[in-house]
Amino acid sequence: GNSVTQMEGPVTLSEEAFLTINCTYTATGYPSLFWYVQYPGEGLQLLLKATKADDKGSNKGFEATYRKETTSFHLEKGSVQVSDSAVYFCALIQFYFGTGTSLTVIP
Amino acid sequence: DVKVTQSSRYLVKRTGEKVFLECVQDMDHENMFWYRQDPGLGLRLIYFSYDVKMKEKGDIPEGYSVSREKKERFSLILESASTNQTSMYLCASSLGDRFNQPQHFGDGTRLSIL
Repeated sequence: GNSVTQMEGPVTLSEEAFLTINCTYTATGYPSLFWYVQYPGEGLQLLLKATKADDKGSNKGFEATYRKETTSFHLEKGSVQVSDSAVYFCALIQFYFGTGTSLTVIP
Repeated sequence: DVKVTQSSRYLVKRTGEKVFLECVQDMDHENMFWYRQDPGLGLRLIYFSYDVKMKEKGDIPEGYSVSREKKERFSLILESASTNQTSMYLCASSLGDRFNQPQHFGDGTRLSIL
């Protein structure tokens, strides 16, 4: 069946460090993939999406590429900021979410 | 700006009570969803609806029911609240299209059952 496996946290990085949060999925066909971000006390917000193989989603310096051959959708950012501190969720269509990865960026 | 509004941010109820969580969206979206969010478990789908008066069970529907009498409103009902239903509840909505569209989320209701 469909599922999402996400890298466990928490992750702590210094400002300007490189970020990778791993996400792999199991699915049939070509379902859409999403990354959402949740700031403290708020609901989830869409960060980026990809709808087919080799698509690259990007937003606010974050990127993720839909890789069919490795069934992965890893989230990356070249230089994190304190304001990126949040919980990040990988999602497969609208029904399957990862467990979330908490990121803390320290000055 | 588009908005999904959940009626309460915090709610405290007692075991055995019937509890209603309300969600309203102003985007004319076809799909609406209820999730619960627990540490280490991520988001788990309770119910969803793809049209007025239509509903489908998600992964964990036991102990819950839903109502969608109008397109903009989707209610989650705890028939007889129990302590294991203490959680954060998130409502979301999206356009139709085979569930491949991004979702818009409310800010959540943190429900405590005593």
